[in-house]
Amino acid sequence: EVQLLESGGGLVQPGGSLRLSCAASGLAFSSYAISWVRQAPGKGLEWVSLISGSGGGTKYADSVKGRFTISRDNSKNTLFLQMNSLRADDTAVYYCAKGRYSEASDAFDVWGQGTLVTVSS
Amino acid sequence: SFEVTQPPSVSVSPGQTASITCSGDELGHNYVSWYQQKPRQSPLLVIYQDDTRPSGIPERFSGSNSGSTATLTISGTQALDEATYYCQVWDSSTALVVFGGGTRLTVL
Repeated sequence: EVQLLESGGGLVQPGGSLRLSCAASGLAFSSYAISWVRQAPGKGLEWVSLISGSGGGTKYADSVKGRFTISRDNSKNTLFLQMNSLRADDTAVYYCAKGRYSEASDAFDVWGQGTLVTVSS
Repeated sequence: SFEVTQPPSVSVSPGQTASITCSGDELGHNYVSWYQQKPRQSPLLVIYQDDTRPSGIPERFSGSNSGSTATLTISGTQALDEATYYCQVWDSSTALVVFGGGTRLTVL
């Protein structure tokens, strides 16, 4: 069974940084692109970033470009999201979601349980 | 950037057919996926590549995409189908992903 498990969420002050992790099991990790998708409290889903299976290709939503960095360690089956210059509107549950292909994601067929990031003073 | 629009809510009686739309410029030129999300749960993929059901998704879920509108259809809607449904578009030219705002389906 494919599983994704996020960690690293918590309370951080505006302007601060946080690093999220997503540990994967039950799949050939390097064969799939993975995305981060977030959901603000009571709001809809917002795609944040994607990284290809090899790690050589990355994409970002305009709302996080220049502040967030996605990366992966295929030797440890783990995905990361480094979040800098955090703002109140970054407050959300952050999900990692597995794509169906190596280089891009037309859809996300496995999701983690999410980790909550709260940006507040 | 690409934008898609969903109605905020749809209501349906048990056993009837529910249709949830997703609209965007020339949406039919892009692949659309649909996700079901129940309260306090992670999203679940129910349709991908416009009309394909993943393994384990009931046959009452179907999808279509043409012109500027994609539609998720739930036939013989059951109470357990009550959830928020999100469409998601993959723009193949930019490799970017966009979600619709979500439609809350009420079965009453």
